[in-house]
Amino acid sequence: GESVGLHLPTLSVQEGDNSIINCAYSNSASDYFIWYKQESGKGPQFIIDIRSNMDKRQGQRVTVLLNKTVKHLSLQIAATQPGDSAVYFCAENLGRGSTLGRLYFGRGTQLTVWP
Amino acid sequence: DTGVSQNPRHKITKRGQNVTFRCDPISEHNRLYWYRQTLGQGPEFLTYFQNEAQLEKSRLLSDRFSAERPKGSFSTLEIQRTEQGDSAMYLCASSFDRGNQPQHFGDGTRLSIL
Repeated sequence: GESVGLHLPTLSVQEGDNSIINCAYSNSASDYFIWYKQESGKGPQFIIDIRSNMDKRQGQRVTVLLNKTVKHLSLQIAATQPGDSAVYFCAENLGRGSTLGRLYFGRGTQLTVWP
Repeated sequence: DTGVSQNPRHKITKRGQNVTFRCDPISEHNRLYWYRQTLGQGPEFLTYFQNEAQLEKSRLLSDRFSAERPKGSFSTLEIQRTEQGDSAMYLCASSFDRGNQPQHFGDGTRLSIL
């Protein structure tokens, strides 16, 4: 099916630790993936993206890993800070034909960072 | 602020009334998207414009919903004869149209139906 899901609905980490948020997708035709961060009362904020011809991409304190063999995506956040507390969504885009425009989102993972 | 702007931020209305939301995308972006998000869920795609052309509509977009982008800049989403189930956050996003580009979201319009 054309769905994106998450392994864990909640994740709690201590400030300074690394966080790993996982995402499974089911459509092997998906060729573009995006991670978003959503704080309460706000819209999703772009974090990092990756195309299907890559297996790793790094940003500032974040790394996205893509494993197409098992249709798995992960977001790693280094030295997690209280400001990282939010809901994290992965989204996929099929990138072909009539579905070129839409993103498919999973339910999200609530990340809580405690001191 | 050069991000995506949505108005109003909150809308409370009685069932059966019509409501209209506005989205101003990032000025250089010619793709514009509408999504709906309910509590605890990820955003669900509603519709998508490339300039003024509406290229795709979800099955979620019933005949009570209509979206326009007449000049290829701002867009409006209208819901007629609102129902309880329309209560949600309505999100707008925009992007460039060169290949795969990230969509950048506004902070949404929260609709509450009494």
